[in-house]
Amino acid sequence: LAKTTQPISMDSYEGQEVNITCSHNNIATNDYITWYQQFPSQGPRFIIQGYKTKVTNEVASLFIPADRKSSTLSLPRVSLSDTAVYYCLVSPYNNNDMRFGAGTRLTVKP
Amino acid sequence: KAGVTQTPRYLIKTRGQQVTLSCSPISGHRSVSWYQQTPGQGLQFLFEYFSETQRNKGNFPGRFSGRQFSNSRSEMNVSTLELGDSALYLCASSRTGTSSGEQYFGPGTRLTVT
Repeated sequence: LAKTTQPISMDSYEGQEVNITCSHNNIATNDYITWYQQFPSQGPRFIIQGYKTKVTNEVASLFIPADRKSSTLSLPRVSLSDTAVYYCLVSPYNNNDMRFGAGTRLTVKP
Repeated sequence: KAGVTQTPRYLIKTRGQQVTLSCSPISGHRSVSWYQQTPGQGLQFLFEYFSETQRNKGNFPGRFSGRQFSNSRSEMNVSTLELGDSALYLCASSRTGTSSGEQYFGPGTRLTVT
């Protein structure tokens, strides 16, 4: 399984766009990239998933360059409630063994 | 529709005892995965069940076991509890069990071993 590297923490202010980049140099051809959000004492919540190029949903965008060795989660106009830990995962299509790294602790300030 | 439910939410056990945790997936989901979360090790994958069969297993000792019933509900058992087993145990369900589908996590069971 591909190892992922993310910044340990990031700070932002309300209303700003936040970009969190994840490195996964050893990503395999059949690997998908998934991002989760976790609040204290809760289970992680799915944010977005992609394979290549760009994916957008109602809460975030995911940018994946052509070589797929990294990905960037973009959160538009963050609010205080976006303060959480964000995990980037890389896992094969047919394997639900999702290895969570340490994640990125995002703190949004007023 | 109802989300993933886990029971109990909190549990206190003594070293050497055993414990059984329960997870009810979202209706229609056939895959259930279990994770252990601790401050030191983060989120670690325990195992995944799909249609009553264990399909994937993480790197945990044999004291950790699980099973899945025909209605997709799953139980996880930990025998001979150790202090280091104190953690938040999370279960997640998905429709197909492949990473092409998102997982939905329950609120977790907070286990404290004394």
